[in-house]
Amino acid sequence: ILNVEQSPQSLHVQEGDSTNFTCSFPSSNFYALHWYRWETAKSPEALFVMTLNGDEKKKGRISATLNTKEGYSYLYIKGSQPEDSATYLCARNTNAGKSTFGDGTTLTVKP
Amino acid sequence: DSGVTQTPKHLITATGQRVTLRCSPRSGDLSVYWYQQSLDQGLQFLIQYYNGEERAKGNILERFSAQQFPDLHSELNLSSLELGDSALYFCASSVAYRGTEAFFGQGTRLTVV
Repeated sequence: ILNVEQSPQSLHVQEGDSTNFTCSFPSSNFYALHWYRWETAKSPEALFVMTLNGDEKKKGRISATLNTKEGYSYLYIKGSQPEDSATYLCARNTNAGKSTFGDGTTLTVKP
Repeated sequence: DSGVTQTPKHLITATGQRVTLRCSPRSGDLSVYWYQQSLDQGLQFLIQYYNGEERAKGNILERFSAQQFPDLHSELNLSSLELGDSALYFCASSVAYRGTEAFFGQGTRLTVV
């Protein structure tokens, strides 16, 4: 893989559903993987930053995992709520400090 | 409120002009990053400064330059502006050079007419 890719592009779920998204990235020159939550008309909000293979981070109902060897990260949301509706971005940092963002997964949670 | 302040919030200018965007990082943060979001593109990393020194460079055009001052605020200078430079420009800051959470400002919306 040459770029940071996120899937799916968009997702519509019912309130209470659990969901997950994928971020795939080049594993060479990897230093860190960031996840952000971006609500419409606001600025991106940091969720997690992970650097080590096997890292798992959790914040409330949201958690993330990292596999640097195969170049992917998963973001999980347990029991989605309408306020979780947002675009979720991942960004890969290289050893040299350069950041590359994915195009995001847009989540819509219906009450 | 992330604690990162960007000014101005909106800027309208003509082609060929030069503008300066300003960013004040969160108190205690030494790194400042600049990003561009054009209409048809995702977030693009432009440049990073850490404690006054340039640390990483992305796809920043030669017409664009940045600096970080001793008080750690940063400015992004955009010159010979073209219509395609119209975008939302974000600044973010973090404590360390890398591997720590970055906090974004509200952005500056630049419109080139």
